[in-house]
Amino acid sequence: DVKVTQSSRYLVKRTGEKVFLECVQDMDHENMFWYRQDPGLGLRLIYFSYDVKMKEKGDIPEGYSVSREKKERFSLILESASTNQTSMYLCASSPDGPGETQYFGPGTRLLVL
Amino acid sequence: GENVEQHPSTLSVQEGDSAVIKCTYSDSASNYFPWYKQELGKRPQLIIDIRSNVGEKKDQRIAVTLNKTAKHFSLHITETQPEDSAVYFCAASSGLVGANNLFFGTGTRLTVIP
Repeated sequence: DVKVTQSSRYLVKRTGEKVFLECVQDMDHENMFWYRQDPGLGLRLIYFSYDVKMKEKGDIPEGYSVSREKKERFSLILESASTNQTSMYLCASSPDGPGETQYFGPGTRLLVL
Repeated sequence: GENVEQHPSTLSVQEGDSAVIKCTYSDSASNYFPWYKQELGKRPQLIIDIRSNVGEKKDQRIAVTLNKTAKHFSLHITETQPEDSAVYFCAASSGLVGANNLFFGTGTRLTVIP
């Protein structure tokens, strides 16, 4: 059974703070993703990674960076949190190959004050 | 790039009735179409998927149909039950973009009224 975990379920930070969100998967998946989910906007891709130390920008990378030092771990970093980054953040992973589905973590609800 | 549109954004049905959610996509190279269900406060979970070599797939009360010519696919839920209430997302993937990226619709909030 695929397990994707995220470091926090709820997080409250202040504007300007550096924020780390961590995601870990235990299925040896090559691909990992970070999304943010906002009402009416669905799931928007922030960054993804298809291999260790590899990263690619998604649709909304501004204000975010990522790190993938180990295959099982993918971190999302908010260098200087802003109120418009208040959102639900979802991590996902998938095996390599065409037509492979993604498995999601439980999400982190981030509030930036 | 791929653009997935999903309708309706909200849907209310009486328990026992059917529910249909429709999605369109823009990239003719897309060949994999999963549907996710997200219950309140929980993670999105895959409920059914279809690949471009078939036109329909069924799993108990849920079914998905795909029309590649028209570039649209639909989720059908029959005999709805209150536990079907959730947000449903469609997605499309060609396997050609990045790490097999999925492009998601904006979601449909389904409410089943007992």
